[in-house]
Amino acid sequence: GEDVEQSLFLSVREGDSSVINCTYTDSSSTYLYWYKQEPGAGLQLLTYIFSNMDMKQDQRLTVLLNKKDKHLSLRIADTQTGDSAIYFCAESISGGGADGLTFGKGTHLIIQP
Amino acid sequence: GAVVSQHPSWVICKSGTSVKIECRSLDFQATTMFWYRQFPKQSLMLMATSNEGSKATYEQGVEKDKFLINHASLTLSTLTVTSAHPEDSSFYICSARDFGGRGYTFGSGTRLTVV
Repeated sequence: GEDVEQSLFLSVREGDSSVINCTYTDSSSTYLYWYKQEPGAGLQLLTYIFSNMDMKQDQRLTVLLNKKDKHLSLRIADTQTGDSAIYFCAESISGGGADGLTFGKGTHLIIQP
Repeated sequence: GAVVSQHPSWVICKSGTSVKIECRSLDFQATTMFWYRQFPKQSLMLMATSNEGSKATYEQGVEKDKFLINHASLTLSTLTVTSAHPEDSSFYICSARDFGGRGYTFGSGTRLTVV
């Protein structure tokens, strides 16, 4: 079956890098996503990576994918207070789009001053 | 771990008909469930917060009379799309947070196609 695991909490100091980790079990995953949820808001798609890629960088965000270990990480450089949110990892086994997404439970990123 | 079952996973209906989507927490009780909608290649948009035993809280711009939400028990919330039109075609997904605060658990989503 499909399962996506991530830690529930991560605490970092402002200005440091945050690394949020995620593991998944379905080797047929084609797309892997990172979503951000701020309090009272819906999920915002931050970035996604195709399963045939190892890394994707977008400004302060770096996604690393280790397909062999089924491990996905999201690195946020120079973490700011505005980055405080819940981050969800999700996988899709269908090509393109969001059909049949499996989400992790979310990692609450806490920023210390 | 906590499991949320969403049914059906896909449905095709004719314009003007109503469609009900169910979201069940299988091994935990959920006083609050969330309904999202996703348009192609866009983020999940929070439609409403479903509260057990009381009225749902709808986000701005979401029509209450069109998207009826019922949360009659601690394990079941339903979303009914009434008088569906092709523009209602979308991917709908529910989410719940269990009592133990062990994070959010999502259903697998429902692909609605209105023809």
